[in-house]
Amino acid sequence: GIQVEQSPPDLILQEGANSTLRCNFSDSVNNLQWFHQNPWGQLINLFYIPSGTKQNGRLSATTVATERYSLLYISSSQTTDSGVYFCAVNTGANSKLTFGKGITLSVRP
Amino acid sequence: EAGVAQSPRYKIIEKRQSVAFWCNPISGHATLYWYQQILGQGPKLLIQFQNNGVVDDSQLPKDRFSAERLKGVDSTLKIQPAKLEDSAVYLCASSVARWDIQYFGAGTRLSVL
Repeated sequence: GIQVEQSPPDLILQEGANSTLRCNFSDSVNNLQWFHQNPWGQLINLFYIPSGTKQNGRLSATTVATERYSLLYISSSQTTDSGVYFCAVNTGANSKLTFGKGITLSVRP
Repeated sequence: EAGVAQSPRYKIIEKRQSVAFWCNPISGHATLYWYQQILGQGPKLLIQFQNNGVVDDSQLPKDRFSAERLKGVDSTLKIQPAKLEDSAVYLCASSVARWDIQYFGAGTRLSVL
């Protein structure tokens, strides 16, 4: 099946800093979603982005499908951005989402 | 618009006991998924329904896990008997159609002692 790798595994930032989170995938994808899992375990949809670039406030994402990677940018980070960020993909063969291992972000005041 | 509802939020049981989880998807969503998330890992699919039919249950441990989606709306996931390694968060997700964006519920955190 498809493999999803996220990097870096852990990230510590000072409040106000910018960061880039990366997601590599091993095959063509039909759908790619970025999630933020908050400390209570809720998976919050950030972006549905199988290709192209999208922006939502301080967050933006870019997926280059031909090169099989996606990037999530966080600007002017806040302590509330802390948590685990997951990239998940599905393929034309199966609509289930395959998740990466996640990136743990800690933003310090 | 109401999100995906799950209950209970937390459950503690002893090994070999049985447990059931309930999920109510977003209204109008035909596809429903159950994922298992073990601590420190990403969620992994257990079973996928399209309306009330099973699309994929290849990763469901069928000797102890069962799931149903009667009438193509609510779904229940059951574990009988539970093992220590079943301790995890069980997440329900739904989408309008199979390859559309998936929305997740808050999950049920299961501890098996």
